[in-house]
Amino acid sequence: KAGVTQTPRYLIKTRGQQVTLSCSPISGHRSVSWYQQTPGQGLQFLFEYFSETQRNKGNFPGRFSGRQFSNSRSEMNVSTLELGDSALYLCASSPRQGFNYGYTFGSGTRLTVV
Amino acid sequence: DAKTTQPPSMDCAEGRAANLPCNHSTISGNEYVYWYRQIHSQGPQYIIHGLKNNETNEMASLIITEDRKSSTLILPHATLRDTAVYYCIVRGDTGANSKLTFGKGITLSVRP
Repeated sequence: KAGVTQTPRYLIKTRGQQVTLSCSPISGHRSVSWYQQTPGQGLQFLFEYFSETQRNKGNFPGRFSGRQFSNSRSEMNVSTLELGDSALYLCASSPRQGFNYGYTFGSGTRLTVV
Repeated sequence: DAKTTQPPSMDCAEGRAANLPCNHSTISGNEYVYWYRQIHSQGPQYIIHGLKNNETNEMASLIITEDRKSSTLILPHATLRDTAVYYCIVRGDTGANSKLTFGKGITLSVRP
């Protein structure tokens, strides 16, 4: 079956712009989580959505937001981009929140802010 | 903050067993130990998880000490493709504890 699909794979944006990243979970998976990975901070949890509701949130500023649609696809948005937002953004899906058989990650979207 | 500590790196010879240690001395009774790995430029990959009993699957074995304060991931016959960063994660099953909190992981280098 198809894995977690993230689009686009690569993105270059200018400081001050906003960006929207997309994640399509594995068919049947209803929970989607987002992570930011940078060389300095490693993998950090952004938020988790289940049944179109945000269930968990990490320690990121309000410029980072997300949403989930009725088909479980999710988007995350970053407004007023800063140079420090350059990172690999990873999406992970699981059948439900707290599912005890692990999350499946996508390959990520690499965002570069210039 | 991550609830686990791992050495920063280790290596092993191809074909030998790789034993990756992890300390999680503050683990709670309802928290699981998960292992993921990340091969360069890819998303993390789930390997195995356990609560208190030892677990084995087609990828690896997980040995959890009786007091649950530490665990070891065993790759029985390491190959060059097992070179990756391995993350040991403690995770609850509900609410805020259900998110994955990654530490720095251990970089495993498998040498020919």
